Amino acid sequence: EADIYQTPRYLVIGTGKKITLECSQTMGHDKMYWYQQDPGMELHLIHYSYGVNSTEKGDLSSESTVSRIRTEHFPLTLESARPSHTSQYLCASSPKQGLAGGPPLGNEQFFGPGTRLTVL
Amino acid sequence: KNQVEQSPQSLIILEGKNCTLQCNYTVSPFSNLRWYKQDTGRGPVSLTIMTFSENTKSNGRYTATLDADTKQSSLHITASQLSDSASYICVVSDRGSTLGRLYFGRGTQLTVWP
Repeated sequence: EADIYQTPRYLVIGTGKKITLECSQTMGHDKMYWYQQDPGMELHLIHYSYGVNSTEKGDLSSESTVSRIRTEHFPLTLESARPSHTSQYLCASSPKQGLAGGPPLGNEQFFGPGTRLTVL
Repeated sequence: KNQVEQSPQSLIILEGKNCTLQCNYTVSPFSNLRWYKQDTGRGPVSLTIMTFSENTKSNGRYTATLDADTKQSSLHITASQLSDSASYICVVSDRGSTLGRLYFGRGTQLTVWP
């Protein structure tokens, strides 16, 4: 079981509100990721980080922003939420290389439980 | 274009029956292929991982196969249980990416009926 946490699990808010989705991992992983997933659709990468003070935009354009001040923490912020932001947001992390004692896993990502965001 | 296609889109089976899910990919250069299980409202959890040189990998009642020549993979579930109801996602990683780039399929939604 991966030690990666997301809060809140569910969030219903009104248009125009500022929100922050929290993601924390206790595995000491360098890389962290944010994905957006709509029902029945594939995960889309919206942000990623190689480590502290590193943030990059992913494949899917997103109005959200992220920060990586600490290794274990990778919050995502929406300054002004809109109904089009309604979706599931998944956070993931991956080690620099394979788990100790085993073969290199190459890009193994461990996912948090997700935050289901609804903007009214 | 790197893509991952899964079939069927959805599947309903009776408890105790077997089933096979399919995955075709065009990701290149290929690094590894994973099958994830995603319960409703949860994050994906890895079931199996296979590299280029592996053509089968088992995890309990789950058995994955990989044909790197035809770029196809399958996930076979034996003696299905109600708890197997979930979305099964095929994920392919490319080689040589420092990011750890993953390409996701849309998943097969499996429902197991009693």
